Amino acid sequence: EAGVAQSPRYKIIEKRQSVAFWCNPISGHATLYWYQQILGQGPKLLIQFQNNGVVDDSQLPKDRFSAERLKGVDSTLKIQPAKLEDSAVYLCASSLVRYSYNEQFFGPGTRLTVL
Amino acid sequence: TQLLEQSPQFLSIQEGENLTVYCNSSSVFSSLQWYRQEPGEGPVLLVTVVTGGEVKKLKRLTFQFGDARKDSSLHITAAQPGDTGLYLCAGGNAGNMLTFGGGTRLMVKP
Repeated sequence: EAGVAQSPRYKIIEKRQSVAFWCNPISGHATLYWYQQILGQGPKLLIQFQNNGVVDDSQLPKDRFSAERLKGVDSTLKIQPAKLEDSAVYLCASSLVRYSYNEQFFGPGTRLTVL
Repeated sequence: TQLLEQSPQFLSIQEGENLTVYCNSSSVFSSLQWYRQEPGEGPVLLVTVVTGGEVKKLKRLTFQFGDARKDSSLHITAAQPGDTGLYLCAGGNAGNMLTFGGGTRLMVKP
């Protein structure tokens, strides 16, 4: 079974530029998550989708971050414009359903460096 | 806001030693998960505990969920270099939303 795919793996941009990350979850997984992991910290949930609907985006900085999952499969996370403090690894995860205790499977992440 | 604090943040030990990592919160969680993350990869689930007082063993790893479901511990017996990595605890609530702790970075020297 293929895992969660993410691209690109690495991205370097200058502040105020825009960037987009792509995620392809495990086939059949209805729930998709985007996390931000700053160096030396644990992952922080940014947004959770159930199929193509947003379940929770309370920690998403909506003035600069946006995410979509149009057909309930792939998802993109965009930052526009980027700030220095956005430097982090952006992890995508998926789970079969959104019930409690359901295992989340993580992709390898995209490491973003903002100069 | 629910917070999970892990201790210690860093741990460097010799092969064969035992160690315990702690995960504490003032909030109650419906489940507690432990993940291990290696450089350049996403976290991988090790175990889920859901009942207060529950103890689970995975080979040399023993996981315990506190009676009040606010804290957890991970004990590794006879650590090996292959155990090196970042260990993350995550508290779960309704809707499978996870709150992660800051992690414990473990290095096991041969």
